[in-house]
Amino acid sequence: AQKVTQAQTEISVVEKEDVTLDCVYETRDTTYYLFWYKQPPSGELVFLIRRNSFDEQNEISGRYSWNFQKSTSSFNFTITASQVVDSAVYFCALSEAGSGGYQKVTFGTGTKLQVIP
Amino acid sequence: GAGVSQSPSNKVTEKGKDVELRCDPISGHTALYWYRQSLGQGLEFLIYFQGNSAPDKSGLPSDRFSAERTGGSVSTLTIQRTQQEDSAVYLCASSLVPLILAPTDTQYFGPGTRLTVL
Repeated sequence: AQKVTQAQTEISVVEKEDVTLDCVYETRDTTYYLFWYKQPPSGELVFLIRRNSFDEQNEISGRYSWNFQKSTSSFNFTITASQVVDSAVYFCALSEAGSGGYQKVTFGTGTKLQVIP
Repeated sequence: GAGVSQSPSNKVTEKGKDVELRCDPISGHTALYWYRQSLGQGLEFLIYFQGNSAPDKSGLPSDRFSAERTGGSVSTLTIQRTQQEDSAVYLCASSLVPLILAPTDTQYFGPGTRLTVL
């Protein structure tokens, strides 16, 4: 069975600090997909990124970057120069890539990030 | 509409009653997803539609749950004989194409339906 572990339950940082949110996953599949989502206090989920298991290139989008390492089964998310608007719960997720496509999606328990002004 | 809409926003029902939750995806989006979020179980994936077809229904928690999508647009999630453990926020999302097929596509979420089973 697949599993996603977000060991950090809550993190507090001071504005402008960099912060890394950890995500470790377990799967027996050789092809799979990893995702990060943001859930701000308003409650509406926001999709951030999708990564294929066969693409280990790191991704950078503005202040956000993702480090995917198959060797350690990790897909960590870094926010550079954090801002108060980054305060949210962040979820990591793993999807199998079966014949049905997007399926058997497993979410981590989330990391609550508080950015203090 | 500009975004994914869900109705009702809140639903209170009595144990044993059936409920229908509706999702209107962004126009033209072929993929539609249902999730639920509860304090006890966290975020769970329920089902995904490509067009009107759901390739895998194994994410539905029990046979009391069913979902359909018609005309490649609106989707309905039905819960029969509701139980208190069904209380959760039910989230719907859509994307232009299935997420795993498009590296740069984005998934858009609705505001959710909060279901309370008394």
